[in-house]
Amino acid sequence: GESVGLHLPTLSVQEGDNSIINCAYSNSASDYFIWYKQESGKGPQFIIDIRSNMDKRQGQRVTVLLNKTVKHLSLQIAATQPGDSAVYFCAERVPSGAQKLVFGQGTRLTINP
Amino acid sequence: NAGVTQTPKFQVLKTGQSMTLQCAQDMNHNSMYWYRQDPGMGLRLIYYSASEGTTDKGEVPNGYNVSRLNKREFSLRLESAAPSQTSVYFCASSEWAGGSYEQYFGPGTRLTVT
Repeated sequence: GESVGLHLPTLSVQEGDNSIINCAYSNSASDYFIWYKQESGKGPQFIIDIRSNMDKRQGQRVTVLLNKTVKHLSLQIAATQPGDSAVYFCAERVPSGAQKLVFGQGTRLTINP
Repeated sequence: NAGVTQTPKFQVLKTGQSMTLQCAQDMNHNSMYWYRQDPGMGLRLIYYSASEGTTDKGEVPNGYNVSRLNKREFSLRLESAAPSQTSVYFCASSEWAGGSYEQYFGPGTRLTVT
């Protein structure tokens, strides 16, 4: 079935270091991917998205890389700050006609001072 | 522009009680969604509505009903609450057009069923 999974459920990094959060997806037909950030007690917030015709997309301090060959997605956060502590979810759109996203389990990112 | 709003923020129910979770969006989006999130878990889709007048089941629809009241509002009803429905419920909306599939989320409703 459709699924989006993550390699690691938790990740700890030192403040100022770069963080890399990984995501594996199962459906090679998926044509759109999105990363969300969820802070404690809040709803998920959009970070960045990428279409399948791209390999890389950059935002402010974040970069998403897409490797369609191995069905892998990653989110890179540069110069991690305490405010980056959160759970990060990836999601994919499978062009099945249904207007929905499939979400992964999530990775909890903890920033150490 | 409030985005997606949900009421109530917190609710405690006894087993067997019923309640309706309310969701409204002011972005004129066509699509709306209800998710549940259990502790340490991801988001699981309960129901969604691709457009006003239509609703479809998601991954975990059992025990829930929905109503797309109009383009702005999408409600989730628990007819007979069970402890297994203790969770955080998120509503989301999306335009789902022009290559944009971003979903905008509300702040959530924390439901405890005892």
